Amino acid sequence: QVQLVQSGAEVKKPGASVKVSCKASGYTFTSYDINWVRQATGQGLEWMGWMNPNSGNTGYAQKFQGRVTMTRNTSISTAYMELSSLRSEDTAVYYCARRQWLAHDAFDIWGQGTMVTVSS
Amino acid sequence: EIVLTQSPGTLSLSPGERATLSCRASQSVSSSYLAWYQQKPGQAPRLLIYGASSRATGIPDRFSGSGSGTDFTLTISRLEPEDFAVYYCQQYGSSPPVFTFGPGTKVDIK
Repeated sequence: QVQLVQSGAEVKKPGASVKVSCKASGYTFTSYDINWVRQATGQGLEWMGWMNPNSGNTGYAQKFQGRVTMTRNTSISTAYMELSSLRSEDTAVYYCARRQWLAHDAFDIWGQGTMVTVSS
Repeated sequence: EIVLTQSPGTLSLSPGERATLSCRASQSVSSSYLAWYQQKPGQAPRLLIYGASSRATGIPDRFSGSGSGTDFTLTISRLEPEDFAVYYCQQYGSSPPVFTFGPGTKVDIK
């Protein structure tokens, strides 16, 4: 079935970087943008940016410009989100989500989430 | 940047009751790009409504969306036990491509 499976939980120290993966299956990976959304504990959803797996083009929310990099490996249908210069406020669950152009660009498939904890 | 406001913050209702959730935008939003999601504890969000009023695949018809411009509504006609969750609205602006979520409305059991 159509799904996105993310990598496991991470614990990082302040100042470090984290790279989360998102493996797509059940559909043509290069046909749909992948977006990244994060959620701090007990808080709402925060959009981080998008990547077109076909072209590699990206767009980032202003808040994360200069700190986030979204890439992909089309041979294994996997998208990546790397966040650098981590601080405690980056502790959150990070989700990847497929942008569905048939659903007016809404996010129809979500990964299970990856918990990233930033702690000294 | 468009800001989405959702009200109420919490809605306490009983199963079988009707739930009406509001999403208001700081400036006009294209109806085509207004979506609603449901999130239960420990789970990823699930797409309910896209294009302001179209139900996503597999979503029961007790969920409906409406609205235009700056005011949008998600209605759950008769709450089922599994509907108690947090609901988020989301809008998409294309120039530049930006997605914005509202802060969410929690529907809990009265």
